[in-house]
Amino acid sequence: DAKTTQPPSMDCAEGRAANLPCNHSTISGNEYVYWYRQIHSQGPQYIIHGLKNNETNEMASLIITEDRKSSTLILPHATLRDTAVYYCIVKSGQAGTALIFGKGTTLSVSS
Amino acid sequence: GAVVSQHPSRVICKSGTSVKIECRSLDFQATTMFWYRQFPKKSLMLMATSNEGSKATYEQGVEKDKFLINHASLTLSTLTVTSAHPEDSSFYICSAGGNPRYNEQFFGPGTRLTVL
Repeated sequence: DAKTTQPPSMDCAEGRAANLPCNHSTISGNEYVYWYRQIHSQGPQYIIHGLKNNETNEMASLIITEDRKSSTLILPHATLRDTAVYYCIVKSGQAGTALIFGKGTTLSVSS
Repeated sequence: GAVVSQHPSRVICKSGTSVKIECRSLDFQATTMFWYRQFPKKSLMLMATSNEGSKATYEQGVEKDKFLINHASLTLSTLTVTSAHPEDSSFYICSAGGNPRYNEQFFGPGTRLTVL
């Protein structure tokens, strides 16, 4: 059962910010929001995760709404190499539990 | 982040043979490793969870006698596809986790299995 809802596809112009939304209205108090991406024929790559505060790293920013029912992944300056399937996953913080993947959002960055 | 490797990256075998795929966490100890499979244009499907030194836990619908998983050390897990058939052709991906140093899991590059 998918715990998150993402648009199936999005387009973005190179150099512009890509804002990928995710709805997770049934998230529990101990569940984190994780973002991964998968470039064609490769293993998924970790991007960022958060519990309730906004997070930023060298790859992206994660904005989580105050009620934690939705979040947005922001790639500040998208490049062609950011074209991939982006997965938003909610999971408990317990290290030994698996990530369950939904269908994700296919982001296409064009010049 | 941590590095996970898989070997081989690509394998072609005849129907009826067995294929072993290795998953190694190169720079951290992983108490838990996960195996996924992915069909073309589909998302990743969790096959099983393995904890070091114990039997793997398989997801519903995954045949444990067909997909043998061994997690003998904190850095190595293996998936053996026994008596492979063409319908087993898929992209197999492992991930490593369970290390308290990391909240996230790290994925290997995947193994493309083609059964003729």
